[in-house]
Amino acid sequence: AQSVTQLGSHVSVSEGALVLLRCNYSSSVPPYLFWYVQYPNQGLQLLLKYTTGATLVKGINGFEAEFKKSETSFHLTKPSAHMSDAAEYFCAVYNAGNMLTFGGGTRLMVKP
Amino acid sequence: ETGVTQSPTHLIKTRGQQVTLRCSSQSGHNTVSWYQQALGQGPQFIFQYYREEENGRGNFPPRFSGLQFPNYSSELNVNALELDDSALYLCASSLGLAGGRTDTQYFGPGTRLTVL
Repeated sequence: AQSVTQLGSHVSVSEGALVLLRCNYSSSVPPYLFWYVQYPNQGLQLLLKYTTGATLVKGINGFEAEFKKSETSFHLTKPSAHMSDAAEYFCAVYNAGNMLTFGGGTRLMVKP
Repeated sequence: ETGVTQSPTHLIKTRGQQVTLRCSSQSGHNTVSWYQQALGQGPQFIFQYYREEENGRGNFPPRFSGLQFPNYSSELNVNALELDDSALYLCASSLGLAGGRTDTQYFGPGTRLTVL
């Protein structure tokens, strides 16, 4: 079964700084990968997804992620953090049986 | 367009009781998935329903069961509640395109279940 590992349960950045959230996957087949964001007391919102084609994927709110097969990575980045980006971020991979398998999450804190 | 809604928002039960959680899909979606999110963890897949049939199941015991109705709304039932069942239960709907792998799952706000 495919799985994802998120490195760093907590990441803190200053407002305006680069955001980098790390996700590595384990998959025996070409993976379908997703990043979701969860704000406090809310459900998950899709930021972006990689299925096939272009390896650099652009999402909502200025986020993007690059699929790197050689590194088995799908890291999420944003050039300039905003206070409103503070949330929990989840990387996920599609698995047989129509399930999404999520990583443990990374809590992003943005300092003024 | 109405998004995914879930009810109730919060629920408190005691060990051994049974609970039913409800989910209304986004308009036009025929697939519903349920996830359990324990505190501080990522969501874990419970099962999925496609056109009223179970279409995939995660590693959860049979006391977790579900239904999908003709209008594609859904219920999650949990019998013989245990303390470890305390979690946020998330429902997600999707279009149910062929293959399903590229479907985007749209999540509701969740139901917070506390088992005492």
